[in-house]
Amino acid sequence: EAGVAQSPRYKIIEKRQSVAFWCNPISGHATLYWYQQILGQGPKLLIQFQNNGVVDDSQLPKDRFSAERLKGVDSTLKIQPAKLEDSAVYLCASSLVASGNTDTQYFGPGTRLTVL
Amino acid sequence: GESVGLHLPTLSVQEGDNSIINCAYSNSASDYFIWYKQESGKGPQFIIDIRSNMDKRQGQRVTVLLNKTVKHLSLQIAATQPGDSAVYFCAEKRMDSNYQLIWGAGTKLIIKP
Repeated sequence: EAGVAQSPRYKIIEKRQSVAFWCNPISGHATLYWYQQILGQGPKLLIQFQNNGVVDDSQLPKDRFSAERLKGVDSTLKIQPAKLEDSAVYLCASSLVASGNTDTQYFGPGTRLTVL
Repeated sequence: GESVGLHLPTLSVQEGDNSIINCAYSNSASDYFIWYKQESGKGPQFIIDIRSNMDKRQGQRVTVLLNKTVKHLSLQIAATQPGDSAVYFCAEKRMDSNYQLIWGAGTKLIIKP
């Protein structure tokens, strides 16, 4: 079974520029998550999709971050404009069902973003 | 704020010895716990989970112990190998947080040859 795919793996931009990340979840997984992971910390949830609808985006900085999952499969996360503090690894994860306390999340390799 | 925390940021273990990574949680309503392993440059990888109605669960070379009385969780790795070098996160889920994963800060496991 193929895992969660993400691209690019690395991105370096200057502050105030825009950047987009792409995620392809495991086939058949209804739920998709975007996390931000600062070095040395656990991942922080940015947004959760169930199919193509948003379940939770309470921690997404909506003034600069946006995400979509138009067809309920692939997803893109965009930052516009980027700030220095956005430097982090952006992880995408997917899970089989929409909710449930024991549903396992499977993570992609992440995109390491450096904002100069 | 975070309710899941780790006692030690770094753990150094001799190859072949057993490793024990500890985690404390503060909310007695937590009903599901997961251990993830994150190697350098990779995303977190699921290792093992345990429900709150259990106190022990075993996998291949790993055992998770849950002590609800003191709100403590541990991950035991038997016969630690170089490939076990990683950062280990405990995470919890509970109904009042919509079953979102709540992560601790992580423990870095270093294997000494």
